[in-house]
Amino acid sequence: GAVVSQHPSWVICKSGTSVKIECRSLDFQATTMFWYRQFPKQSLMLMATSNEGSKATYEQGVEKDKFLINHASLTLSTLTVTSAHPEDSSFYICSANETPGLAGRETQYFGPGTRLLVL
Amino acid sequence: GQSLEQPSEVTAVEGAIVQINCTYQTSGFYGLSWYQQHDGGAPTFLSYNALDGLEETGRFSSFLSRSDSYGYLLLQELQMKDSASYFCAVREERDDKIIFGKGTRLHILP
Repeated sequence: GAVVSQHPSWVICKSGTSVKIECRSLDFQATTMFWYRQFPKQSLMLMATSNEGSKATYEQGVEKDKFLINHASLTLSTLTVTSAHPEDSSFYICSANETPGLAGRETQYFGPGTRLLVL
Repeated sequence: GQSLEQPSEVTAVEGAIVQINCTYQTSGFYGLSWYQQHDGGAPTFLSYNALDGLEETGRFSSFLSRSDSYGYLLLQELQMKDSASYFCAVREERDDKIIFGKGTRLHILP
């Protein structure tokens, strides 16, 4: 089946630093990737939709200057948390939409997640 | 607006059957998915319904009624390893976004 990887799997950083998280589709092309954030014991909240070759679309309440998204190729999207603070500590999960997909079949695949801890 | 409702917690006994319901209200609808997430892990895909009816995959089955904006996940022959959170999620037709419900924590008793 389709595989999505994320790197790093976990990161600890000091407050004020920037952290880059990579999301890769390993065996398929993805014109669209999604970034989610999950706080403990809560659901996955969609942060933004990453479109290859164009600007990302952010959900309401998500600061685009804080969470920079780049989707430069059909297999890679990156999320950069700029000037991270302790409240940004969370589990960040990406998903990639297989292109083209098959009608009637789920074609979105999730990465294993990146756990971020900001001290 | 978008909303998905599912019970916050369900408790069942090992070997039994449990059903987790999900109702949704979204601006567009393409399909209903179910995901399992163990503590500390990422969500893993379980099933997907785009059309009305029942989809069966081993011990797990999922049902959808588009006219009722309702679906459920049925887990049979429960095992202790099935203790996890289960999320229903709606794919919106307009932009392929997947919106997750708040999740149901399934507790399994021996």
